[in-house]
Amino acid sequence: GDSVTQMEGPVTLSEEAFLTINCTYTATGYPSLFWYVQYPGEGLQLLLKATKADDKGSNKGFEATYRKETTSFHLEKGSVQVSDSAVYFCALSSSNTGNQFYFGTGTSLTVIP
Amino acid sequence: DSGVTQTPKHLITATGQRVTLRCSPRSGDLSVYWYQQSLDQGLQFLIQYYNGEERAKGNILERFSAQQFPDLHSELNLSSLELGDSALYFCASTPGATSSYEQYFGPGTRLTVT
Repeated sequence: GDSVTQMEGPVTLSEEAFLTINCTYTATGYPSLFWYVQYPGEGLQLLLKATKADDKGSNKGFEATYRKETTSFHLEKGSVQVSDSAVYFCALSSSNTGNQFYFGTGTSLTVIP
Repeated sequence: DSGVTQTPKHLITATGQRVTLRCSPRSGDLSVYWYQQSLDQGLQFLIQYYNGEERAKGNILERFSAQQFPDLHSELNLSSLELGDSALYFCASTPGATSSYEQYFGPGTRLTVT
């Protein structure tokens, strides 16, 4: 079945460091891919998405490219800030699977000054 | 603020009991999704409703049920509660039924079963 595998955390970085969180997926058909972020005590918020191969999603300095050949959707940011500390979830959905969403296990990021 | 509301914020109950969690979607959204988030299972999709009808089903136990009412709010009913049902329960809403829409999440209901 469809699934998402996400880099294990937690990740701790210094401010202004480069961030990569790996995400790979298994899916039938052509899924849409998402990154969601969860700040402490809050629900998930969409960070970015891509709906077809080679699309690049970007928001707030974060970006991820939908790579069909490597079945990946890695999240990157060139210079993290303390305010980026949160849990990041990779997710996929596909009409082939009845519109179900599949989330990764989440990667906790802490950015220290 | 996503525009999705969930009540109650916290719920503490005993094993064997039954509870109802409520979700009001964003204005204009027709689709509601329910999720369970626990430390050991991560975020699990439970069920989706679209305009009052069940649209997709995930890892929802038979002890759990949901419905969406004509005013589009949704309720998740959890019965014969077990300790393992302790988790955060989120709902999310989208304008349409398909999976390419952004999901807007509510703040969650934290259920503690003692």
